[in-house]
Parts: sequence; structure tokens; C-alpha cells
Amino acid sequence: SQKIEQNSEALNIQEGKTATLTCNYTNYSPAYLQWYRQDPGRGPVFLLLIRENEKEKRKERLKVTFDTTLKQSLFHITASQPADSATYLCALDRGGGSGNTGKLIFGQGTTLQVKP
Amino acid sequence: GAVVSQHPSWVICKSGTSVKIECRSLDFQATTMFWYRQFPKQSLMLMATSNEGSKATYEQGVEKDKFLINHASLTLSTLTVTSAHPEDSSFYICSARVGPFNEQFFGPGTRLTVL
Repeated sequence: SQKIEQNSEALNIQEGKTATLTCNYTNYSPAYLQWYRQDPGRGPVFLLLIRENEKEKRKERLKVTFDTTLKQSLFHITASQPADSATYLCALDRGGGSGNTGKLIFGQGTTLQVKP
Repeated sequence: GAVVSQHPSWVICKSGTSVKIECRSLDFQATTMFWYRQFPKQSLMLMATSNEGSKATYEQGVEKDKFLINHASLTLSTLTVTSAHPEDSSFYICSARVGPFNEQFFGPGTRLTVL
């Protein structure tokens, strides 16, 4: 069955450092992958989407890579700030290579704690 | 970005009662909305897809008679938890997709506690 794995252990880093989060998937050939941020007691907030033919995507201090051979996406936050502390979720469309169902499968999320 | 609201943000009810949760797209029209459930320390699990003007489609293991979904307009979907029981206590979140690549915008969530 389709499976998405994120490091369930919390990631603790010092302010100003780069945080790197990992998302691995199996039994799947997604057309695109998405990253979301979730704060406690709140709904997820969309951050970035990367398509299968894109190796890398950037948005301000965020960078996402997508390696379809390794079946892995890396999510980087550069110059991290305490306000970046949250849980980060990766998500894939259940439709796989055919796109576009809108039905998302989420990883369990990685909690990032940025210390001042 | 697109804004999705939910109401109420939290609700406490007695076992056996029904609870209705509203999900609204505030600045766009959504022909399709999605309902997710999230238990503590777990990730979001898709419950059902809400389609404007037609029946909702439910994921495997989700009881359609227990979780009634109505999508009567392009900006409103409702989820009614019927005869709620303590095991239905969870965080319910709706979403709508915008754009060609399914960027999804989520509501703030509704915390349901069934006593």
C-alpha cells in the first residue's frame, strides 16, 4: 500500500541554522508533492508544491527538493527563526501519476523546534 | 491566498447527540471540499470528498450514515456527526483545492469532544 514516512522524532536546532526535514514514500509514483505547516490546534497551511519534473523549488527561506529515483523529498528552512517552530507535513495526491484527485495522503509530520 | 473558515472552532456535546460543523470558502468557489480527521499525535486522515450538488464519497472505513455531508452551495459544506460517541472525539478539518495543481487550503479545524 502507499506509504509516506517522515521522521517522527522532533528536530531541535539553533536559531540561524538550516533545518532539513525528510519525506520518503513507497509504492507510489506521484505527479507532485506538497509541504504544509501545522501549528498546534490549527489546520495545515500550504507552503510549497513541487512537481515530478522539478528537482528543486524555492520560496523565500524555504527550499524543497524532489528525487523521484530515491522516492524522497527534502524540505529546508534556511536562517531558521523561533517562529518557524511547528510541525511540517508532506503530502501526496492519492491519484499518483495520473494526478489530480485532490485526495491527499499525509505523512505523520516532523516537529521542528528552533531555539533562540 | 484562499481562505477557508470553519464553525464552530470547538464543541462539547453529550454522547448520542448530533453535531454539525460548517466549512466555508470565503473568497472563492469550491466545487469540491474535503473532510479530514486528526487524532492526537497522528496525521490527517481523509474521511470524505464533498461535491457540490451531488453525494459525497467516503473513504474506506468511514460510515456514511454516521458522518453526513452536505455541499449545498459552492461556498459551504457541512459535516454532521450523528449520534456522537466518545470515540468520535477528534479534530475535524476541511479543505478546498485551488489552482491547477491542487494546492489545498485548510480551515482552522473544529475540536469535537463527546462526553
